[in-house]
Amino acid sequence: GQNIDQPTEMTATEGAIVQINCTYQTSGFNGLFWYQQHAGEAPTFLSYNVLDGLEEKGRFSSFLSRSKGYSYLLLKELQMKDSASYLCAPFDSWGKFQFGAGTQVVVTP
Amino acid sequence: EAQVTQNPRYLITVTGKKLTVTCSQNMNHEYMSWYRQDPGLGLRQIYYSMNVEVTDKGDVPEGYKVSRKEKRNFPLILESPSPNQTSLYFCASSETGSGNTIYFGEGSWLTVV
Repeated sequence: GQNIDQPTEMTATEGAIVQINCTYQTSGFNGLFWYQQHAGEAPTFLSYNVLDGLEEKGRFSSFLSRSKGYSYLLLKELQMKDSASYLCAPFDSWGKFQFGAGTQVVVTP
Repeated sequence: EAQVTQNPRYLITVTGKKLTVTCSQNMNHEYMSWYRQDPGLGLRQIYYSMNVEVTDKGDVPEGYKVSRKEKRNFPLILESPSPNQTSLYFCASSETGSGNTIYFGEGSWLTVV
């Protein structure tokens, strides 16, 4: 089974950096996705980690430590449009995904 | 354009009246899945399918049925809807399901009264 823990809400100002942590307990862990979801819309893909380390994609980076069951998503140079929910989604070796409840990021002017 | 299309997008129905939410993808993906999303609970998987004629229960399958007769379509069937099935439903697909990016449909808001 899988148990995913991420903060419920984080608030930051425009231009700042925010780090969203995710811990998971996933049997047969194979990798982890981060998705962004604006209210009432479908989740959209942000990043993907299989190996330990940092993956950078523009203003967004994601880190994975397989031994610690830990990942984080780093959002740099925050913009108002980054206000959304961010979902941590580990998947197992059978291809089954599970999504965390999401972290609501509120960006203030 | 690569997409996952689900219908209807919005539906209000009455308890016990069978309904089907259709899902179609045009990316030739093998893996398809249905999720429901409720406040505070995140996305929970209902059923998934690794390929044609292969379906499996997710975490919350009770009250739902699915079928995968052809690769592109994966309908979700509520035989006898109840108010606790009021939710936002997402269909999703990926190439193989083994760590490939999941693409989501736009969501279907279902209200059962």
